[in-house]
Amino acid sequence: DTTVKQNPRYKLARVGKPVNLICSQTMNHDTMYWYQKKPNQAPKLLLFYYDKILNREADTFEKFQSSRPNNSFCSLYIGSAGLEYSAMYLCASRNRGENNQAPLFGEGTRLSVL
Amino acid sequence: GEQVEQRPPHLSVREGDSAVITCTYTDPNSYYFFWYKQEPGASLQLLMKVFSSTEINEGQGFTVLLNKKDKRLSLNLTAAHPGDSAAYFCAVSGTQVVGQLTFGRGTRLQVYA
Repeated sequence: DTTVKQNPRYKLARVGKPVNLICSQTMNHDTMYWYQKKPNQAPKLLLFYYDKILNREADTFEKFQSSRPNNSFCSLYIGSAGLEYSAMYLCASRNRGENNQAPLFGEGTRLSVL
Repeated sequence: GEQVEQRPPHLSVREGDSAVITCTYTDPNSYYFFWYKQEPGASLQLLMKVFSSTEINEGQGFTVLLNKKDKRLSLNLTAAHPGDSAAYFCAVSGTQVVGQLTFGRGTRLQVYA
């Protein structure tokens, strides 16, 4: 199986409540990424894990958390959802040492915050 | 940081006509360039990757041109068909951060019969 799987596909959350999104891959990729995409905007990198090392973008550092309990899984956690978090969240993976390899994307989770 | 401008945001062409999507980027150190296609409800599918300084890559029904001097990347669908209707995204990264992509805003292509 050479796909990146994301759960759930759709998520409805209340303002102020936590949100946890899940991503998995069975290709043994060492790096997993989370991107956020809003309508009419470019997908934006939020953070990525290389092995067990988490790297978060400076402008989203405090808004998102993540964990990677093993090589196959990676979560994206929002502690207190706000309306501005409504977006599509895309997970991707690749092997860092293979420079020619493009990130492989999952189908995304559409989060709606009400 | 890197900025990528993609044009046009929407494109409607007749079946059999060509369609051109262009991206310009700002970082001269950018090295890896990708085109992704996204059909409704589906994931971003890699269409083409380009690495050389000036290169024309050809796939099934499309051509990709990279001009590093002008910092311009283009996707040319030579004879569009309705199955090409989708959103297309260009993405750029440097040598040290290959998977950390800077995307364009996308182009929504509609091909009508």
